[in-house]
Amino acid sequence: EPEVTQTPSHQVTQMGQEVILRCVPISNHLYFYWYRQILGQKVEFLVSFYNNEISEKSEIFDDQFSVERPDGSNFTLKIRSTKLEDSAMYFCASNTLAGGTDTQYFGPGTRLTVL
Amino acid sequence: QQQVKQSPQSLIVQKGGISIINCAYENTAFDYFPWYQQFPGKGPALLIAIRPDVSEKKEGRFTISFNKSAKQFSLHIMDSQPGDSATYFCAASMQPFSGGYNKLIFGAGTRLAVHP
Repeated sequence: EPEVTQTPSHQVTQMGQEVILRCVPISNHLYFYWYRQILGQKVEFLVSFYNNEISEKSEIFDDQFSVERPDGSNFTLKIRSTKLEDSAMYFCASNTLAGGTDTQYFGPGTRLTVL
Repeated sequence: QQQVKQSPQSLIVQKGGISIINCAYENTAFDYFPWYQQFPGKGPALLIAIRPDVSEKKEGRFTISFNKSAKQFSLHIMDSQPGDSATYFCAASMQPFSGGYNKLIFGAGTRLAVHP
């Protein structure tokens, strides 16, 4: 069964450093998302991406964040200068509306620890 | 208005019992209500979903009950099993008229423990 994959599974970085989180969405999906989950809290929407541009972003997704689909398969989230409060699980998700389905498929997540 | 409120925060059920988790929303534009199941260290996985044109949807031991007038929906897990122990999130989204992306607004989550 197709699945969303994410790398790395765990990233440790120093405050102020740049990190890039990588995702490979399901191959025929058209819509891509990043969510984050601070430990013990709910999953929060960060950004959605379609047709090579951001469709919507939350207030969390400030100028320090950017997303890119550099090729036909990868979808990346970059945090330019990490802060302690960026420590969280970051989930990539994708879906397609073909057939009227709204199901978003989530990857296993990248745990980001900012020291 | 974008919030989805979920209760209880945690739930302990004996094996074979019924687990019930409730969610409420404010925004009447929401038109898709999924439930996600998350095991520790894993991403959320879709369990079951409903649209507001039906009041109930059942898939195996999992049932969503939907009350449009009250703006509430709930997940019932019948014959709960220890393997059901996980965190459950309700969510809501609205399908843009023109179709397209649909960000999910999640509830706070319910940690379910099913004891043998």
